[in-house]
Amino acid sequence: DADVTQTPRNRITKTGKRIMLECSQTKGHDRMYWYRQDPGLGLRLIYYSFDVKDINKGEISDGYSVSRQAQAKFSLSLESAIPNQTALYFCATSQGSSYNEQFFGPGTRLTVL
Amino acid sequence: AQSVTQLGSHVSVSEGALVLLRCNYSSSVPPYLFWYVQYPNQGLQLLLKYTSAATLVKGINGFEAEFKKSETSFHLTKPSAHMSDAAEYFCAVSADNFNKFYFGSGTKLNVKP
Repeated sequence: DADVTQTPRNRITKTGKRIMLECSQTKGHDRMYWYRQDPGLGLRLIYYSFDVKDINKGEISDGYSVSRQAQAKFSLSLESAIPNQTALYFCATSQGSSYNEQFFGPGTRLTVL
Repeated sequence: AQSVTQLGSHVSVSEGALVLLRCNYSSSVPPYLFWYVQYPNQGLQLLLKYTSAATLVKGINGFEAEFKKSETSFHLTKPSAHMSDAAEYFCAVSADNFNKFYFGSGTKLNVKP
């Protein structure tokens, strides 16, 4: 089984709808992250969490919110989806220090019509 | 502040030729540096990382990278390209007093028969 899982893998929705993307991990890591990937822009950080009670905004948090329900679960919500939120979304986890690598989920492809 | 620049959004090489993917970083403190690979429709996978030990770092699939502080570079190389190396490659930087990664915009590697 994959260490970092994301659901759904693909989602098509309409402008104005509320969407939740879920991430679960079995690695026992304390840190979790949400990124979006757009062609030519690399990965941009939306939110990150170092433990259940710690939530931090990344560089592009507007229009998004998150919930860390447990150490192993980190959800990303789009309260009112808009077309420019169409992107590939990745969840990642890491343990402890900044020199430790991040482990990525398989991604969720979201299309907002 | 930290940032990463990857020169060349697309690189094309022939099978068996040298692969060189460029990464330059900017960091006000000693950096940790990472190379990730993304195959089509997959998440990111760690190739190698530099965390202030040996400056020449060997990774998976025959890739290696050399940390050059004077040039603020961490270029990725492989002596002989395989068709299976075709993917997108991302360089990332982190540091002790920064709790997140900064990713470059990515380089797509095409390998010609």
